[in-house]
Amino acid sequence: AQRVTQPEKLLSVFKGAPVELKCNYSYSGSPELFWYVQYSRQRLQLLLRHISRESIKGFTADLNKGETSFHLKKPFAQEEDSAMYYCPWGDKIIFGKGTRLHILP
Amino acid sequence: ETGVTQSPTHLIKTRGQQVTLRCSSQSGHNTVSWYQQALGQGPQFIFQYYREEENGRGNFPPRFSGLQFPNYSSELNVNALELDDSALYLCASSSGLATYEQYFGPGTRLTVT
Repeated sequence: AQRVTQPEKLLSVFKGAPVELKCNYSYSGSPELFWYVQYSRQRLQLLLRHISRESIKGFTADLNKGETSFHLKKPFAQEEDSAMYYCPWGDKIIFGKGTRLHILP
Repeated sequence: ETGVTQSPTHLIKTRGQQVTLRCSSQSGHNTVSWYQQALGQGPQFIFQYYREEENGRGNFPPRFSGLQFPNYSSELNVNALELDDSALYLCASSSGLATYEQYFGPGTRLTVT
């Protein structure tokens, strides 16, 4: 059975510091992985998907099959990055508990 | 192009009652998924509808049921409400079964007293 975990409930990072939000998966077959973000008082929205290999708002996520991870990274955090981040999986987009990213001034 | 809309915004019901929540999909989208998001939790997948037929269901009891209409709008019905049903209910629409990008609505906040 496929499963994805985000080990951190809360991550606090200083502005300008690098960000890494962890997402680990256990899968049989090819995983379908995404990053969704929910800013305060806004709707949940897609940030990245593993097949696109693009950078959005300075964020990137690489599928690492050896480590079975899909961590979300950004080299320099900005205050507007503060939000809830989810790493859902599967064709039904199954969400876990997410990680709250708090950017400190 | 209009986004996903949900109604009502807020709702208060009494335990044992029934509730219907509505969702209007984004233009051109024929797939809708419903989620329950309890306070401090991630969205929990309830079920998905594709072209008016259920296409997958999460771990929710049968008193949670849904409908998708020919215009691809959708309803979530919950019978015999329980206190634990209090949550934000989200719907998300997408195009086809390759749900790589879902567009979420603002949600309906249901409070059961």
